[in-house]
Amino acid sequence: DAKTTQPPSMDCAEGRAANLPCNHSTISGNEYVYWYRQIHSQGPQYIIHGLKNNETNEMASLIITEDRKSSTLILPHATLRDTAVYYCIVSGTNDYKLSFGAGTTVTVRA
Amino acid sequence: GAGVSQSPSNKVTEKGKDVELRCDPISGHTALYWYRQSLGQGLEFLIYFQGNSAPDKSGLPSDRFSAERTGGSVSTLTIQRTQQEDSAVYLCASRWTGLDNNEQFFGPGTRLTVL
Repeated sequence: DAKTTQPPSMDCAEGRAANLPCNHSTISGNEYVYWYRQIHSQGPQYIIHGLKNNETNEMASLIITEDRKSSTLILPHATLRDTAVYYCIVSGTNDYKLSFGAGTTVTVRA
Repeated sequence: GAGVSQSPSNKVTEKGKDVELRCDPISGHTALYWYRQSLGQGLEFLIYFQGNSAPDKSGLPSDRFSAERTGGSVSTLTIQRTQQEDSAVYLCASRWTGLDNNEQFFGPGTRLTVL
C-alpha cells in the first residue's frame, strides 16, 4: 500500500540541478514528506523533510505543492557522489516507522 | 561524534546455524530500529525499540527472529536456524525522540549470506 509514487530511474548531468518528483496524493494533514537516499552498499541517509512550506538545507531543497499532493527534491549542483537511490516517504507525527518503497535510482553522469 | 555502528560487516553462515548481529546506536538516541534489505529490494521494517516500552515486533518474519536491547543502548538481532531466504543486508537505525521528526540515522549494515 504505497503512499508515494516515484519514477524508477533518472539520469542527470554533473553540475546540473537534479529535480526528483514524488506524488503523494493521499497525504493527510499531519503527515510530513521525508527524503532519504541510499548510496550503493551504504545505509540510507536522511536528506530533508517538510510539511507544507518549502525547505532548504546544505544538501537539497524540497518544494511541496500547495495542495501537498506532490513534491520535488532538488539537488542544486549534482555531483558523481550524488548517484544513489532516492526515497520519498510520507510519515505522520505519530509514526515511528519509515516505509521505504522502490525509490528513484539517480545516476549522475560526467 | 560516532554514528551508528554494526558488526560484523559481513557474515557467511551455513543453513541451520544461528547468527547474532550487533548494533551500537548513537549515544543518547532512545529509539532503535532493525530493517532488512534483500538484494535489489527496498527496506523492510523488522522491529522497533523505544526506551523502556515494549518493542514493536510486528515486522519480524518468523519466530526464528528475535531481538533485544540491553540497557537502552546496544541491540542484538538473533536469527535461529538460518535459511537461505534470510540472506540480506540487515540495517540498524537510531533516532533521538526529543525531536518531533522521523530522522533516522542508519548504520552501514551487516550483509548476511546463508549458504
